[in-house]
Amino acid sequence: DAEITQSPRHKITETGRQVTLACHQTWNHNNMFWYRQDLGHGLRLIHYSYGVQDTNKGEVSDGYSVSRSNTEDLPLTLESAASSQTSVYFCASSVSTGNNSPLHFGNGTRLTVT
Amino acid sequence: QKEVEQDPGPLSVPEGAIVSLNCTYSNSAFQYFMWYRQYSRKGPELLMYTYSSGNKEDGRFTAQVDKSSKYISLFIRDSQPSDSATYLCAMSATGNNRLAFGKGNQVVVIP
Repeated sequence: DAEITQSPRHKITETGRQVTLACHQTWNHNNMFWYRQDLGHGLRLIHYSYGVQDTNKGEVSDGYSVSRSNTEDLPLTLESAASSQTSVYFCASSVSTGNNSPLHFGNGTRLTVT
Repeated sequence: QKEVEQDPGPLSVPEGAIVSLNCTYSNSAFQYFMWYRQYSRKGPELLMYTYSSGNKEDGRFTAQVDKSSKYISLFIRDSQPSDSATYLCAMSATGNNRLAFGKGNQVVVIP
């Protein structure tokens, strides 16, 4: 069965370190998204991509970057981790741009920045 | 004003009761409306998907959309302990795959 896999499931890092969270999907979806989920804020969009070599900023993109070198993967990099980036991060994918197709989510990465 | 408002709850109900959840929104361009269910320490999973106004039923779940009032609802009939989860509403405009999410509503069904 097709799926979307995030790794690691849990990560503890120190302030100032660079961290990369992995997202791999086998749906062959064009669209991929990164969200963070925090109490009181719900899901907030960090970055998204509509295809290879395409990346776009979401509403909370400061301090984060992504790159899309193939269809399957969209890694999320925290350039210099800050305590405010402690959160649960979800990757999601969907079929195409025009059909407003629903998102398929991974099971998240819980990141703690100390 | 946020695009999507959802009272975060929590909501506790006895087993067998009807659960009623709702969201309001401000963007009249929204045409696609979704409800996601999220169990603890899991990612959200799509529960219901509707286009424009009207009702959609799937088993014990009914989704309603009232575009004139910018209001959507999810009803769960004969609620079960396995329905205990957080329910998030989400919506998007035509040609735009970026979803606007509500904050989520935690539901606890007590056996």
